[in-house]
Amino acid sequence: KAGVTQTPRYLIKTRGQQVTLSCSPISGHRSVSWYQQTPGQGLQFLFEYFSETQRNKGNFPGRFSGRQFSNSRSEMNVSTLELGDSALYLCASSARGFGPYEQYFGPGTRLTVT
Amino acid sequence: QKEVEQDPGPLSVPEGAIVSLNCTYSNSAFQYFMWYRQYSRKGPELLMYTYSSGNKEDGRFTAQVDKSSKYISLFIRDSQPSDSATYLCATNQAGTALIFGKGTTLSVSS
Repeated sequence: KAGVTQTPRYLIKTRGQQVTLSCSPISGHRSVSWYQQTPGQGLQFLFEYFSETQRNKGNFPGRFSGRQFSNSRSEMNVSTLELGDSALYLCASSARGFGPYEQYFGPGTRLTVT
Repeated sequence: QKEVEQDPGPLSVPEGAIVSLNCTYSNSAFQYFMWYRQYSRKGPELLMYTYSSGNKEDGRFTAQVDKSSKYISLFIRDSQPSDSATYLCATNQAGTALIFGKGTTLSVSS
C-alpha cells in the first residue's frame, strides 16, 4: 500500500509570496492533518480535514489555510510568506481522524523563505 | 507548563545498550499515546501506539504508559546504529489533535 505523498519536497520562496503544498493520503484514509515542524517549536498542528470539511484547527494565523478534495487529497496554502514560515510542513493521514485512529506521516515539504 | 515535555538529549549510547526515552504530560484527559521515529530529512514514522496504562511490546521496542504519574516511556533493547534518529512522543484524546514532545535525538555508535 502506498504511503502518504507530499509535493513538492523542497521549495524556496521570497517573503511576501504565497505557496501551495499538496498531500495525497494513504488510499482509503479520509482524514488529512497538517503540521509545521521547526527546531524551536517542534511539531505544531495546523488543521485537520475530514470528508472535505475542516474539523480541527490549530493556533496559526489566517494566512495559513487548507482544503480537501473529494478524493481526500489536500492542499495547504500560506499567503504573504514571512521568514518565520520557513519550516518542514508535514501532512498525516488517518482512516477516520484523531484517536483512536493512527496517524501516518508523509516525508514533508521543506519550505525556505528568503 | 507545556502539555508534553521531552528531554531533547542528545543521547549517545554504544551498540547493544538498552535505551530509555521518556515524556511527561500534564492533561489527565489524554487517552492515546504514541511514539514516532524520525530520521533526518524524513517524516515521522509511527513506532508504537498504546491506549491506557500498561506496557506494549513490539520486537526490541517496549512502550510503557503510567497514567497515574502522567509518564510515558519507550525502551529499546539491543540498540543498533540504525536506531539513531529523533524519537517523538505524542498524545491526544479522542477527536483532538496530537500534541508532540519536541523529540529526543538518539545516537547509537557501533
